[in-house]
Amino acid sequence: AQKVTQAQTEISVVEKEDVTLDCVYETRDTTYYLFWYKQPPSGELVFLIRRNSFDEQNEISGRYSWNFQKSTSSFNFTITASQVVDSAVYFCALLWGSYDKVIFGPGTSLSVIP
Amino acid sequence: GAVVSQHPSRVICKSGTSVKIECRSLDFQATTMFWYRQFPKQSLMLMATSNEGSKATYEQGVEKDKFLINHASLTLSTLTVTSAHPEDSSFYICSARDISGGLYSYEQYFGPGTRLTVT
Repeated sequence: AQKVTQAQTEISVVEKEDVTLDCVYETRDTTYYLFWYKQPPSGELVFLIRRNSFDEQNEISGRYSWNFQKSTSSFNFTITASQVVDSAVYFCALLWGSYDKVIFGPGTSLSVIP
Repeated sequence: GAVVSQHPSRVICKSGTSVKIECRSLDFQATTMFWYRQFPKQSLMLMATSNEGSKATYEQGVEKDKFLINHASLTLSTLTVTSAHPEDSSFYICSARDISGGLYSYEQYFGPGTRLTVT
């Protein structure tokens, strides 16, 4: 069965600290997609990144970076020099099979304290 | 990027009434749309998959007679919560699938969500 685990329920950091959000997934499919979304208090989902299972290259976008390791089934997300505006719930998600379903992890609530 | 809209953004209704939520893909055609429900401080749970021109596919535990889904066109899917009760109060989010770039260029776009409160 497919599953996405985000072991960190809540994280609190002081502004300018780096923080890594963990994501571990389970699937027997060899072809799948992984996503990260940000959900600020307003509720709207903000797409951050999509990665397919054949692309293990790490990616950096500004202060954000992602580390995809198939060997450990992990897709971790790091925010460098965190800011108050980064405070939100972050979801890791898995798309698999016939690309008809996305399963979300439980989310990690990040609080960045000024 | 592609845009998906939802209407209304917030709705309050009385127990026993029905409420309709619309999900529209604004600049692409979506043969498949998805409806999610999110309770406070919880993750998104897929309720059903809406396919244009055919019946929706509901996830286990979701009452199809209570959550009516109609995907009448390639840009519009509606979710009707019938005989709503307070326990139906939740954040409902739709997403639309754009495969115009081919099956393996999968793109899924989420709407802004609808917050339903049943009193």
